[in-house]
Amino acid sequence: QVQLVQSGAEVKKPGASVKVSCKVSGYTFTKYAMHWVRQAPGQRLEWMGWIDVGKGHTKYSQKLQGRVTITRDTSASTAYMELSSLRSEDTAVYYCARAPRVVAAIGDWFDPWGQGTLVTVSS
Amino acid sequence: SYELTQPPSVSVSPGQTARITCSGDKLGEKYGCWYQQKPGQSPVLVMYQDSKRPSGIPERFSGSNSGNTATLTISGTQAMDEADYYCQAWDSSTAVFGGGTKLTVL
Repeated sequence: QVQLVQSGAEVKKPGASVKVSCKVSGYTFTKYAMHWVRQAPGQRLEWMGWIDVGKGHTKYSQKLQGRVTITRDTSASTAYMELSSLRSEDTAVYYCARAPRVVAAIGDWFDPWGQGTLVTVSS
Repeated sequence: SYELTQPPSVSVSPGQTARITCSGDKLGEKYGCWYQQKPGQSPVLVMYQDSKRPSGIPERFSGSNSGNTATLTISGTQAMDEADYYCQAWDSSTAVFGGGTKLTVL
């Protein structure tokens, strides 16, 4: 079955960077785009960006452009999300979620989702 | 920026029909989808392209989208349906989520 398994919880200081991994199994990694979504405590889900896993092309939300980088290692069937210049407002659970096609498109949905990675930013 | 608005909470008795709405400007001209999230768990897709049910989602879940409002309907609501529900759509190549609705099955 399709599985997305994320790396463990992280605690970071303000100004630092964090890199979260998402290892997939049960399907061909390069045939589906991967999105990243985060959820701050008590807040709505927030889309961060996506990667064309086959070609490595990315698109990020305007809000996070410049601080977020999504990459992938096709040999390891793993996607990564790195967020830099962390601030307290970045404390959230970060999810990877698969797109229904190789290149993300307007109208797409997210299915399935990883189990989530809690990133805490605190001094 | 584009916004999707959901009621914070909806209550329903077991066996009754629950309707959760999601409002956005000309939302009916976009595809909408819905996610169910139970406490401490990841979101699960329950509806996509307005009214399509993923494999494994019970037939009591249905969806519609017209005008400015998308609606997730749960017929014969069961206790296991108690969860937070989020709508999602796309605007200008950006995915947007609603604020979530807590469904309580009394």
